[in-house]
Amino acid sequence: DVKVTQSSRYLVKRTGEKVFLECVQDMDHENMFWYRQDPGLGLRLIYFSYDVKMKEKGDIPEGYSVSREKKERFSLILESASTNQTSMYVCGTGDYEQYFGPGTRLTVT
Amino acid sequence: GENVEQHPSTLSVQEGDSAVIKCTYSDSASNYFPWYKQELGKRPQLIIDIRSNVGEKKDQRIAVTLNKTAKHFSLHITETQPEDSAVYFCAASPPNDYKLSFGAGTTVTVRA
Repeated sequence: DVKVTQSSRYLVKRTGEKVFLECVQDMDHENMFWYRQDPGLGLRLIYFSYDVKMKEKGDIPEGYSVSREKKERFSLILESASTNQTSMYVCGTGDYEQYFGPGTRLTVT
Repeated sequence: GENVEQHPSTLSVQEGDSAVIKCTYSDSASNYFPWYKQELGKRPQLIIDIRSNVGEKKDQRIAVTLNKTAKHFSLHITETQPEDSAVYFCAASPPNDYKLSFGAGTTVTVRA
């Protein structure tokens, strides 16, 4: 049973703060993904990684960066949080079938 | 990039009736089409998928059809039950790539 965990379920940050969201998977998958989920917009891909230290931009990478130092861990970084980054952030892993984490609801005030 | 459109955005059906959700995609090279179900407060989970070499796939009460020529695919749920109430997402993926482009989602409500 694949387990995908995220560091926080809820997070409140102030505008301009640096924010770290972490995702850990226990199934040795090479691929990991970060999505943003907003009502009426579905899941939109921010960044993905095919291997350690490898990353590629998704559809909405602006304002975000990522880090993958270990195979099981994929971090999403908001360098300077803004109110329009208030959203649900969902991590995924897998090949054709993707397994998702529980999501982090981030509020930027 | 791939653009996936999903309709309707909300769907209310009487228990026991059928539900149909339709998606269109823009990239004719896409060859993998999964459907995910997200219950309230839970994470999305794969319920069924179809590849471009197949026109239809069934799994108990759910089925997916694919029309490559028209670039659309549909999810069919028969004999709906209250536990089918959820948000359903379609997605498409290009060949040799695990990136998914998702539709906006359909909120299905099954009325008892």
